[in-house]
Amino acid sequence: DGGITQSPKYLFRKEGQNVTLSCEQNLNHDAMYWYRQDPGQGLRLIYYSQIVNDFQKGDIAEGYSVSREKKESFPLTVTSAQKNPTAFYLCASSIFVGFNEKLFFGSGTQLSVL
Amino acid sequence: AQKVTQAQTEISVVEKEDVTLDCVYETRDTTYYLFWYKQPPSGELVFLIRRNSFDEQNEISGRYSWNFQKSTSSFNFTITASQVVDSAVYFCALSEEDSGYALNFGKGTSLLVTP
Repeated sequence: DGGITQSPKYLFRKEGQNVTLSCEQNLNHDAMYWYRQDPGQGLRLIYYSQIVNDFQKGDIAEGYSVSREKKESFPLTVTSAQKNPTAFYLCASSIFVGFNEKLFFGSGTQLSVL
Repeated sequence: AQKVTQAQTEISVVEKEDVTLDCVYETRDTTYYLFWYKQPPSGELVFLIRRNSFDEQNEISGRYSWNFQKSTSSFNFTITASQVVDSAVYFCALSEEDSGYALNFGKGTSLLVTP
C-alpha cells in the first residue's frame, strides 16, 4: 500500500540533545512537508521541500533542520536550539507544491522532553 | 492574524444527531482553496474535501455535506446522522494563491459522538 511512514511513534529527548524524526513516502510525490501540532492548536509548517536537494523554511523553522537527499525521504532534526520541542510532529506529502494540492499525512511522532 | 477560525473547540453529540462544524476564513485573494481534514485518534490527518473559490456549489458525500458561502466567508461542514466513528478532530484549512503553497489551518474542532 502506498503511504507515508513516520517513525518512531514516540520519542523522548534529553536536554541538549538532537533527535531525528523519520519520514518516508512511497507515493512518488515530489513535495514533502513537516508540521508541528500543539494541543488545541492548528498545524504550523516547519519546513517543506519541493524537490530533492531543495527545501524551504516554513513559519516556525527555528531550532529545526531537514535534508532531502532522496525523493522518498525527508527527515527532521530537532536540535538543542529548539527550547520547547514537546509536540506532535506530522509529515505530509503532495504530488507537487501548489496551493490547490491536497496533502497526504503520516500518523505522526509524539516528541517529549525528559 | 488567524486566517481560519473554527470557533467551536469541542462538540459532543449523541449518535444519530446531525452536527455542523463551523469554519470562517479571511482572505483578500480572489483565487483560493478551502479544505477539510479529519484527524482520528490514530493521529494522521485524512483529506475530506477541497473546494476552490469559484465553485460555490454545496457538496454532499454520503452523510457529509459542505456549505460554502463566499458572502459570509464560511465553509461549514455538516455530518448527518452522526456515528461513533465520526469522533475525531476536524480541521478547516485555507490555501491562497498569493501565498504559494501554504496551508493555513484552523485550530480544529474536536467532535465526540457518544452511543
